[in-house]
Amino acid sequence: KAGVTQTPRYLIKTRGQQVTLSCSPISGHRSVSWYQQTPGQGLQFLFEYFSETQRNKGNFPGRFSGRQFSNSRSEMNVSTLELGDSALYLCASSLGRTNGWETQYFGPGTRLLVL
Amino acid sequence: SQQGEEDPQALSIQEGENATMNCSYKTSINNLQWYRQNSGRGLVHLILIRSNEREKHSGRLRVTLDTSKKSSSLLITASRAADTASYFCATVVFGNEKLTFGTGTRLTIIP
Repeated sequence: KAGVTQTPRYLIKTRGQQVTLSCSPISGHRSVSWYQQTPGQGLQFLFEYFSETQRNKGNFPGRFSGRQFSNSRSEMNVSTLELGDSALYLCASSLGRTNGWETQYFGPGTRLLVL
Repeated sequence: SQQGEEDPQALSIQEGENATMNCSYKTSINNLQWYRQNSGRGLVHLILIRSNEREKHSGRLRVTLDTSKKSSSLLITASRAADTASYFCATVVFGNEKLTFGTGTRLTIIP
């Protein structure tokens, strides 16, 4: 099976702009999660979608939002970008059969630089 | 916020030696997972250990879990240059089912 894919891989934006990142999960996986990785804060959970519904959410401001489509593909959006949003954004998928958070399969990430 | 703290933050060993890294966490967990990340890329799942398990093996990897001490360790035996990477523990807490990552250990294998 093809792995988790994320597009774009690299992105440069300026403060105040908005950005949309895309994630295609492994075929058959219904759960998609998003994480932000920065040198200062490490890996932090943003949100998780399952069957087009947000099932879990981390402690991020409302500028960070996401959605999931019927084919399980997911997008996350960051509005009014700030310098501190510069990070590697990772998407992970899983079967989502249980709430027990089984193995997560991660994509290669989108590296966002905000100038 | 970080649930897990990993120790050491960085580790350099000779190829062929064993590498041990530790993870401590704060609250009761459902399971604990270890991931590897190569140079700013995506994470690769290594092993999952449930709260009612004490030890698990996968190839050259051995993970232990001590719920009384709220700690876990990852042992990589007979290290190889390809093991050079950052290793993260991640916990899943009962009633709040998301992965909460530790701070990571940067492992360097010297050929």
